Amino acid sequence: GQNIDQPTEMTATEGAIVQINCTYQTSGFNGLFWYQQHAGEAPTFLSYNVLDGLEEKGRFSSFLSRSKGYSYLLLKELQMKDSASYLCALEGGSYIPTFGRGTSLIVHP
Amino acid sequence: DVKVTQSSRYLVKRTGEKVFLECVQDMDHENMFWYRQDPGLGLRLIYFSYDVKMKEKGDIPEGYSVSREKKERFSLILESASTNQTSMYLCATLRENYGYTFGSGTRLTVV
Repeated sequence: GQNIDQPTEMTATEGAIVQINCTYQTSGFNGLFWYQQHAGEAPTFLSYNVLDGLEEKGRFSSFLSRSKGYSYLLLKELQMKDSASYLCALEGGSYIPTFGRGTSLIVHP
Repeated sequence: DVKVTQSSRYLVKRTGEKVFLECVQDMDHENMFWYRQDPGLGLRLIYFSYDVKMKEKGDIPEGYSVSREKKERFSLILESASTNQTSMYLCATLRENYGYTFGSGTRLTVV
């Protein structure tokens, strides 16, 4: 199986940095996705990590450590529009992702 | 950009009705999926399809069926809608190593 754990909810202040963690137990996977989902909307792709290390895309970065069974999404210079759910998903051997339950991030002024 | 279009944004149906949720994609992707999303439960896979006329059960297929007569269209069917099928339904296509592109979702309420 691919048990995926994320915190249910996090809060942060506008302008700050927040790290959303994702831990998993699996025998193997192709890569790890992060998606963003605003309330009432569909998830949208943020990042995909295959190799260990940090991938940076503007204000958002994603990190993967296969040996530790751990990933995180780092959001810098938080804006109010970053309030959303963030979904971690593992891509298995059949290329079908398995999703975590998501982390609801609330950014306040 | 891949476009995945779900025909209805909001639907209200009565218990026992047969419900069709339609999904159309315009990028010739072979893989299409139906998920439902519920608070606290996340995204759960109902059915998926790798090709025309081909279907595979996901994690929660009970009470649902699907149809893929053409490559671009993947329909989810609730044979006899029940109140526990009230949910957000999301269609998606998948490109290997690039992840999902989701439709805008259909919020179905069964009364």
